Amino acid sequence: EAAVTQSPRNKVAVTGGKVTLSCNQTNNHNNMYWYRQDTGHGLRLIHYSYGAGSTEKGDIPDGYKASRPSQENFSLILELATPSQTSVYFCASGEPGTGQDTQYFGPGTRLLVL
Amino acid sequence: GEKVEQHESTLSVREGDSAVINCTYTDTASSYFPWYKQEAGKSLHFVIDIRSNVDRKQSQRLIVLLDKKAKRFSLHITATQPEDSAIYFCAASRSSGSWQLIFGSGTQLTVMP
Repeated sequence: EAAVTQSPRNKVAVTGGKVTLSCNQTNNHNNMYWYRQDTGHGLRLIHYSYGAGSTEKGDIPDGYKASRPSQENFSLILELATPSQTSVYFCASGEPGTGQDTQYFGPGTRLLVL
Repeated sequence: GEKVEQHESTLSVREGDSAVINCTYTDTASSYFPWYKQEAGKSLHFVIDIRSNVDRKQSQRLIVLLDKKAKRFSLHITATQPEDSAIYFCAASRSSGSWQLIFGSGTQLTVMP
């Protein structure tokens, strides 16, 4: 079973502050993804990565940066947090093209921006 | 842009009945369609998928049907049990080759005893 972990699990931040959400996977998957989940919207893709050193913009990248320093780690950075970024954030990893195209999700980080 | 619409936002069934969740997609070249289950307060867990080279796939009590002409796919849960209660998300792959998934907005399934 794929293992994806996230930290912190819960975070309270102030408007204008910097927030870093971390994700680690031990599956040696090349692809990693950051999503946010809001009621009525399902999951929306923020950033993704094909491997160490690569980051790509997803559907809603504004206000977010991403960093993939290694195969295992993928971070989501909110340089100037705003209340509209209050959400639940999920990291996922996957190895498409191998017959196992599914994505494996972490437990999520609940972020509240005051 | 590409979209996946999940038609039922909530669905209630009696234990033992079947539940059907329907999704439509816009990207004609989508080729991979997974379904995920999210129990209350938890993360998403993969349950079943289907590829565009088949129109039906079954795994125990779960059946997925794919109608490529109508760009529609559906999840059928037979002989429902209370533990099937959860939010179910459908998704479709983007054709751009970037291995992205586009998710529907989710269906809250409640199985009543």
